[in-house]
Amino acid sequence: AQSVTQLDSHVSVSEGTPVLLRCNYSSSYSPSLFWYVQHPNKGLQLLLKYTSAATLVKGINGFEAEFKKSETSFHLTKPSAHMSDAAEYFCVVSDLRGGADGLTFGKGTHLIIQP
Amino acid sequence: DTEVTQTPKHLVMGMTNKKSLKCEQHMGHRAMYWYKQKAKKPPELMFVYSYEKLSINESVPSRFSPECPNSSLLNLHLHALQPEDSALYLCASSQGTGGNTIYFGEGSWLTVV
Repeated sequence: AQSVTQLDSHVSVSEGTPVLLRCNYSSSYSPSLFWYVQHPNKGLQLLLKYTSAATLVKGINGFEAEFKKSETSFHLTKPSAHMSDAAEYFCVVSDLRGGADGLTFGKGTHLIIQP
Repeated sequence: DTEVTQTPKHLVMGMTNKKSLKCEQHMGHRAMYWYKQKAKKPPELMFVYSYEKLSINESVPSRFSPECPNSSLLNLHLHALQPEDSALYLCASSQGTGGNTIYFGEGSWLTVV
């Protein structure tokens, strides 16, 4: 069985300051891990994915995430927040089966950007 | 081009109506999915089509009826819905069902009155 825990339901940062969204996972296999972003009234957009290549993964819009097997973590970071980053972020783990039936979503983290 | 297109963007329907949600992708993906998302919750898987055949039905009520006319199109037929079915319905696709990235559409907002 696999699971995903997003440690914060809400994160609030000031524009121009760093962003850290935390995600821990458990999986019986070597997982694939994803971060998706959902802006208000929009669908989910893929930010980045980890699939057992480099442990530091760079995504779109300046986001990156580091896979740490020893800590079973896949935290999402960005050096400097922008107002347009305000959105819901989902950490997702995929097991060996892959596809939608193998996906487990975290509950989401709502990112608030203060001006 | 990683685009999944959904229509309509918004739909209001009565409990006795019959309507359909449509989804299209031209990425050559062979797996397509329907998800339901309630406010402030993660998406919940409803159906999976693989090579145009229904492979997963997550115990969805029969008032939701999926259809995959060809490898690029996916429909969700709606009939006799309940107000609690009001939600964002997301279509997604992937190259296959094994370890591939899933790409989502913008969703169709459904309100049942």
